Amino acid sequence: NAGVTQTPKFQVLKTGQSMTLQCAQDMNHEYMSWYRQDPGMGLRLIHYSVGAGITDQGEVPNGYNVSRSTTEDFPLRLLSAAPSQTSVYFCASTFGIEQYFGPGTRLTVT
Amino acid sequence: AQSVTQLGSHVSVSEGALVLLRCNYSSSVPPYLFWYVQYPNQGLQLLLKYTSAATLVKGINGFEAEFKKSETSFHLTKPSAHMSDAAEYFCAVSNAGGTSYGKLTFGQGTILTVHP
Repeated sequence: NAGVTQTPKFQVLKTGQSMTLQCAQDMNHEYMSWYRQDPGMGLRLIHYSVGAGITDQGEVPNGYNVSRSTTEDFPLRLLSAAPSQTSVYFCASTFGIEQYFGPGTRLTVT
Repeated sequence: AQSVTQLGSHVSVSEGALVLLRCNYSSSVPPYLFWYVQYPNQGLQLLLKYTSAATLVKGINGFEAEFKKSETSFHLTKPSAHMSDAAEYFCAVSNAGGTSYGKLTFGQGTILTVHP
């Protein structure tokens, strides 16, 4: 049981580039979420999904896109990277009321 | 709407001293409350959670937290700090029911430093 996995662990992008952060879970959880972590701001919800084919916006969705074609995968797409998107990104899946977090992806946009 | 405020972005204690990390929440419905710990360059680990079963919640590594509805607080304590407790701690709230389970609102975080 790998839990929640994220790839890559580190990424450097230039302004305007696009990329996809991968997230997968093998626990058959319906709920999955993406957060970004910035110093002094805690974690903020970007997008979440309550099941395959169903997604919704969180607190800071602008500049990000998600889709959920399977229960296992919940990729996060940066459409045109900006320096303000430099952050650490965490994916999580939920069972009951408890969230299980992945190890994170550290993204730098120059 | 829900929110979390952690009082004090940095807390410093001596090894063996009491640890007290403060968290106040705002929620229009009965909340679920959580404390997470994050060690440097790692993900988040759940320390403990409040689900309305008992107001005093015991977690891992000797931590506990007390839910006080009248004060809208959920402070984290540990009687005796250890060097290995040095980390960043996050308080979070989730509303019970519906699709809220997938959405946590986090506080800003408190960095705990433990001095020898």
